Amino acid sequence: TQLLEQSPQFLSIQEGENLTVYCNSSSVFSSLQWYRQEPGEGPVLLVTVVTGGEVKKLKRLTFQFGDARKDSSLHITAAQPGDTGLYLCAGATGNQFYFGTGTSLTVIP
Amino acid sequence: NAGVTQNPKFQVLKTGQSMTLQCAQDMNHNSMYWYRQDPGMGLRLIYYSASEGTTDKGEVPNGYNVSRLNKREFSLRLESAAPSQTSVYFCASSRGGSGNTIYFGEGSWLTVV
Repeated sequence: TQLLEQSPQFLSIQEGENLTVYCNSSSVFSSLQWYRQEPGEGPVLLVTVVTGGEVKKLKRLTFQFGDARKDSSLHITAAQPGDTGLYLCAGATGNQFYFGTGTSLTVIP
Repeated sequence: NAGVTQNPKFQVLKTGQSMTLQCAQDMNHNSMYWYRQDPGMGLRLIYYSASEGTTDKGEVPNGYNVSRLNKREFSLRLESAAPSQTSVYFCASSRGGSGNTIYFGEGSWLTVV
């Protein structure tokens, strides 16, 4: 049983399109992180959100933490080929981290 | 900044051989973790150490042992490697507390033949 469900699992879009990735759970987390992982490398932290309803922007990426701190979304505006990678969400409770299975994004030039 | 470093990056083992994956962090973090990542399975926790001197089993601990050598170092040992342990292994660390975030090493690619 996966504590965090990510959708979609795979996404292939054209350069310039917008997209949203979802990370859902029935559990409450003290914080939630988003990572991007490229082939042959470890996950690299993009953002940490802590407060319910919090919205953070990182250039063309917008992250939102649900009001109840159970879910999150990642929206990318005008996707570029450099955005290609595996996007992982992770929820923290105490010292434990629970990961979604990831969304594999391919941006076609 | 080094962050989390792990060694070796690549290793090929024969079934039954043993080996130790080394991990060190320079962020003065309290907690350290070992994960494995397999296609379609995501990141699965093998063992973690909430603080120096403590270790706990994660989701998939069978076939592995760990040692929290000091606050900086957390090693993962395979006593008798099996082909099912072919995977990519990631060490990670976190500070703990509010806004807790986990930081990863670059991974160790292990193949057991």
